[in-house]
Order: sequence, then C-alpha cells, then structure tokens
Amino acid sequence: SAVISQKPSRDICQRGTSLTIQCQVDSQVTMMFWYRQQPGQSLTLIATANQGSEATYESGFVIDKFPISRPNLTFSTLTVSNMSPEDSSIYLCSVESQQETQYFGPGTRLLVL
Amino acid sequence: DAKTTQPTSMDCAEGRAANLPCNHSTISGNEYVYWYRQIHSQGPQYIIHGLKNNETNEMASLIITEDRKSSTLILPHATLRDTAVYYCIAVNNAGNMLTFGGGTRLMVKP
Repeated sequence: SAVISQKPSRDICQRGTSLTIQCQVDSQVTMMFWYRQQPGQSLTLIATANQGSEATYESGFVIDKFPISRPNLTFSTLTVSNMSPEDSSIYLCSVESQQETQYFGPGTRLLVL
Repeated sequence: DAKTTQPTSMDCAEGRAANLPCNHSTISGNEYVYWYRQIHSQGPQYIIHGLKNNETNEMASLIITEDRKSSTLILPHATLRDTAVYYCIAVNNAGNMLTFGGGTRLMVKP
C-alpha cells in the first residue's frame, strides 16, 4: 500500500482566509482524490486531481472555492478559499494503487472561526 | 455505483468474532465490494475487497453470498482497537469514485 502524508495535520483559521493542504505519496500514482468529512458525517468526494490537467469536480463543489493543483504524480494540493465556519471539516486525500484500491491519508482537521 | 445498507451500530465482546453485515441488493456484475474502517478522526483504512469469491487477509474475512446481494465482514477475534466505523462500498473499479454511506459503528467491549 502507498504511504500518504498530509500537511498541515490540523489548523485553526479565521473566516475569509484561505488554507492550502498538501498531499504527498511515496510512489507515483495516476489517480488522486480529495474528500471532505464534515463533523459527524461520512466522506464526500470533492474532486479528482488529474496530473497535467484541471481537476474534475463533483456536484456541489467548484474550482473557485476548492482550487486543486497536481504538478506531478506524487503530489497534490487542495486550497479551501474564502473560508467560513461551514468549511470546518476533515479534508482527506486518497490515491489509487495499481491494484485499483484507494488508500487514504491521515486527514487535515480544519476549524474555521 | 450500487447503494449499500448497513446497521447503524453494533457491539461485540473483546475476543469474540465481529460479524458486520452489508446489503447491496442492486449490485451489478462488475462492481466490487470494498470494506474500509475509520478509527476516530483518522483517515479511512482499507480492509479487504472482493467480487464474488470469499476473501481472507491478515485483517479480516469477507463472505459474499452467491447472489452477491449481501456480504459479511468478519473480524475473527475483535480487540478494543477494532472499535471504529466500518464502511461497506460497492464500486465499479472503472469508475474510481468511492461513495461512502453511513457505515456501522462497531463498539468492542471488554
């Protein structure tokens, strides 16, 4: 399985600011994904991070709010822009292995005041 | 991807087998059954997956009914550290996306 790290592990931010979350994997992977888990809820897919092209967003998520970068096959970033308290969540990246199994990072816990 | 239905919560005594059911009556022929678990506030952990044959690994066993409409995840000797939310997901590997339902909150008690 892949080893995935995320930075920061947690943060407390003021409303109106932006936070960029990094996801690093220890091997080259084709598919990387970003999920959100709101308090007490299950995971919801935000977008698929495509290497060399724009991310593919799920319904309800837009690029202006959640811009994503994927500069290479081991790294991606998710930015949460113009934050409000409703953005307080755990943000998780995942990668798909060659065996088509998804593995998740440890998550970034975001609290917006 | 097919919808899955799981009990909201279950209890299990430490050292006993934990049997977690999942209903996926609308699963299609090319959809796999995946199981993940999430220990409090951590990222989901992959457990096991299967298509139609029963599977076993170092963590668990997966029993899939012959008609593939339901499955059971078995933790043979549950420990306190197995307390977590367990998610059963039916996914077409060509689609990549995982759709998480509510999962089963398993509480392993001493």
